[in-house]
Amino acid sequence: AQKITQTQPGMFVQEKEAVTLDCTYDTSDPSYGLFWYKQPSSGEMIFLIYQGSYDQQNATEGRYSLNFQKARKSANLVISASQLGDSAMYFCAMRTYGGYQKVTFGIGTKLQVIP
Amino acid sequence: DTAVSQTPKYLVTQMGNDKSIKCEQNLGHDTMYWYKQDSKKFLKIMFSYNNKELIINETVPNRFSPKSPDKAHLNLHINSLELGDSAVYFCASSDSRNFYGYTFGSGTRLTVV
Repeated sequence: AQKITQTQPGMFVQEKEAVTLDCTYDTSDPSYGLFWYKQPSSGEMIFLIYQGSYDQQNATEGRYSLNFQKARKSANLVISASQLGDSAMYFCAMRTYGGYQKVTFGIGTKLQVIP
Repeated sequence: DTAVSQTPKYLVTQMGNDKSIKCEQNLGHDTMYWYKQDSKKFLKIMFSYNNKELIINETVPNRFSPKSPDKAHLNLHINSLELGDSAVYFCASSDSRNFYGYTFGSGTRLTVV
């Protein structure tokens, strides 16, 4: 079975500062993918970043980067230069490749950016 | 052009009624999903179809019945609605040949009164 753990129910960050949202995962499948999604108060789910288990380098997408530490089974999201529009729920998710394309989500972290 | 569109966006209905939510994607994806997001924001998969074939069917009451007339459409019909069915239902799609995550619809907020 696969499991995603997000231990920070809420986080605050000052505008323009960097913030790290924690995510750990558990799977026995050697091949998997890790994702982060953003859900603003308007409700839509927005894909942010993807990391494959065999990728040698950490994924980056603009101000988002994924700090992938395979031995520790962690996939933390780093947001640099926070903006007010970054205030949202953030979900870490994982898909293993042993079965169908089922993605399991963590419980989310609510990030609030303070002006 | 909306990639994954769900209708309706909001649905308020009485207990015991039957309702449907429709989903359509124009991305050419071959796999579609229904997820339920509860009041605590937890997202849980309900169903998945690949090329009209049901491939994931989680522990969901049989009052919920998905239907996929073609690979671009996935509808969700709910019979005998209960208060506990109140949630946001998300449709999503993906390409099984090139999977880098889902594209989600905007969600349907179902309120059962």
